[in-house]
Amino acid sequence: QSALTQPRSVSGSPGQSVTISCTGTSSDVGGYNYVSWYQQHPGKAPKLMIYDVSKRPSGVPDRFSGSKSGNTASLTISGLQADDEADYYCCSYAGTYTLVVFGGGTKLTVL
Amino acid sequence: QVQLVESGGGLAKPGGSLRLSCAASGFTFSDYYMSWIRQAPGKGLEWVSYICTSNSCKHFADSVKGRFTISRDNAENSLYLQMNSLRAEDTAVYYCARVSGAKYCTNGVCRPTSFDYWGQGTLVTVSS
Repeated sequence: QSALTQPRSVSGSPGQSVTISCTGTSSDVGGYNYVSWYQQHPGKAPKLMIYDVSKRPSGVPDRFSGSKSGNTASLTISGLQADDEADYYCCSYAGTYTLVVFGGGTKLTVL
Repeated sequence: QVQLVESGGGLAKPGGSLRLSCAASGFTFSDYYMSWIRQAPGKGLEWVSYICTSNSCKHFADSVKGRFTISRDNAENSLYLQMNSLRAEDTAVYYCARVSGAKYCTNGVCRPTSFDYWGQGTLVTVSS
C-alpha cells in the first residue's frame, strides 16, 4: 500500500480538463510544499511534470498545473491530448527519516 | 542533453548480490545529488536511496537499509548501487535519477524533494 493515495484511474475526452488527486497526511503532503508529479508512458521512464506543488520544469506545457489544499495535492491537465494518456504519480517530501513517498499512480485514459 | 544509462541488472538468487551502475552525461555530475528509485512489475514507484554530491551523505529506505549501499565516482561520472542479501521483493526496474536543484535544506543539510531526469531503468529479478 502506497503512502499517498491516488485514484486508480481517471478519464476525459480530448480538449477537456481532468484533475488527479493525491492525499497524504500532515507528515508529508500537508506538512511541506514539496509535492511533485511524474508522467510515465508504458515502458518508459517517469518524467517530471510539476515540482514544489505548482512549478513547471522548462518544456512542460502550461496545460499542466499543480495545487495543494491541506493534505491533498492535485494535478490538473487542461486541453487533454491523446499523448497525455499515461500513468501519473505524485510524490511528497516526508521528513528527514522517511524522506520521500510516492502515490500508487493514476492511469489517465483519453477517450 | 542530460543522459542517464543504467546497467548491471539481471537474474539473481535470493540471498545473492548485484551491482548496478549508472553512467551520467550532459551535465556536471559532481554538482548534483543522485538517487535510485525502483518500480516492481505492474506496481508504483518506490524511492530506494540517495547520495549527496560527495560520498559523505547517504540515505536509504527502510526496506533496503543494511542490505544496499550507494556510492558515486565523480571522476567517472558514475553512480552505483550495491545490492546484497537480495529478496524476491527486490524484483523491480531500478531507475537512476538526478535530484533536482530544488531541495529541502535546513541546518546546513539538504535533502531531495523531486527528481528531474531519469534513466531508462535496468531490470533486477530475484528468483531461485
